[in-house]
Amino acid sequence: EVQLVESGGVVVHPGGSLRLSCAASGFSFDDYAMHWVRQPPGKGLEWVSLINRDGRSTYYADSVKGRFTISRDNSKNSLYLQMNSLRSEDTALYYCAKPKGDSPADYQMDVWGKGTTVTVSS
Amino acid sequence: DIQMTQSPSTLSASVGDRVTITCRASQSISSWLAWYQQTPGKAPNLLIYKTSSLESGVPSRFSGSGSGTEFTLTINSLQPEDFATYYCQHYRTFGQGTKVEIK
Repeated sequence: EVQLVESGGVVVHPGGSLRLSCAASGFSFDDYAMHWVRQPPGKGLEWVSLINRDGRSTYYADSVKGRFTISRDNSKNSLYLQMNSLRSEDTALYYCAKPKGDSPADYQMDVWGKGTTVTVSS
Repeated sequence: DIQMTQSPSTLSASVGDRVTITCRASQSISSWLAWYQQTPGKAPNLLIYKTSSLESGVPSRFSGSGSGTEFTLTINSLQPEDFATYYCQHYRTFGQGTKVEIK
């Protein structure tokens, strides 16, 4: 079964740091780019970041650029999101997601995890 | 940046109705347009990719169409499990969502 399981979400103070993880199984992880998408409470979906298959190319939403770092360890079938200088507006459910195709430009996501909740509050 | 605007924001319908949701792009876009369904407490579920291709396992009452700046998701004969929020997406940009409610 194709599966993504996120972890690492906690309550953190503004200005703090956090690292999210996503464990992948059931597919050839290193054949696909991977995404992080977030959803603030009661709001819509916001794309956060993309990493290509070998981890050498990364892309970010303007709202997180310079503060968040996406990475992956293909030997562990794992995706990460290092989040620094956290703000209240970063409070959200964070999903990792697999693109449907193996094209580096494929943002259509056919597998999603259940998400992990990040709360930034003093 | 391209903006994606969905209409309506909320839609009230009954079981058996035919429902259409529109997604408009701020400029002409390619066919890389996807639709997702999200029910409360669940992750989004891919319904349609590349504007009109039905994702495996998705009922055939769902269909997508469009080109240029206007795209639609149609649900024929709405079922109880279809009451949910629907999002369009083009590359990094999601629409704001359309909530389909029970009339």
